[in-house]
Amino acid sequence: AQSVTQLGSHVSVSEGALVLLRCNYSSSVPPYLFWYVQYPNQGLQLLLKYTSAATLVKGINGFEAEFKKSETSFHLTKPSAHMSDAAEYFCAVSESGGANSKLTFGKGITLSVRP
Amino acid sequence: KAGVTQTPRYLIKTRGQQVTLSCSPISGHRSVSWYQQTPGQGLQFLFEYFSETQRNKGNFPGRFSGRQFSNSRSEMNVSTLELGDSALYLCASHPDNSGNTIYFGEGSWLTVV
Repeated sequence: AQSVTQLGSHVSVSEGALVLLRCNYSSSVPPYLFWYVQYPNQGLQLLLKYTSAATLVKGINGFEAEFKKSETSFHLTKPSAHMSDAAEYFCAVSESGGANSKLTFGKGITLSVRP
Repeated sequence: KAGVTQTPRYLIKTRGQQVTLSCSPISGHRSVSWYQQTPGQGLQFLFEYFSETQRNKGNFPGRFSGRQFSNSRSEMNVSTLELGDSALYLCASHPDNSGNTIYFGEGSWLTVV
């Protein structure tokens, strides 16, 4: 069974500061990993995904994440936070190796950006 | 290319009623899945349909059902609504190739009173 752990429910950073949102996963098979962002009253937007190509994945809006198999982690980072980054962020895992669209999500982390 | 379209966006129902939500996937996507999002339980997988057949199912009671039509459009139905069914219901479409991105709609906000 797959699972995702996102430590902490809320992260607050100053504008211009580094953003680090942590995600650890558990999967019995090589995973596909995703980060989604949700703005208030909206659906989920894909930030980036890992599908076993490169371990460092670059996404939209300046975000990137690094897949570390030894640590079963897929942490999301952004060098410099912007006010518009304030949103809820979800890490998700699905099984690779097939046409499988079932995602298992973490609880989500709310990112606040202080002026 | 149009995204995933869900209707209605907002609705209010009374306990005991039933509700039907609709989802039109991205053109060419044959897989449609549904998720429930609540503050307490987070995002939970309901079910997935592919070629009009349910391919995967989450851990929800039988009051939650769905179907997919030949044009890949999908509906989900919740019968005998309970207060706890109040949630954002998200539909997602997928091109059904390994590793491809899953795209989400804006969701349908259901309030049960």
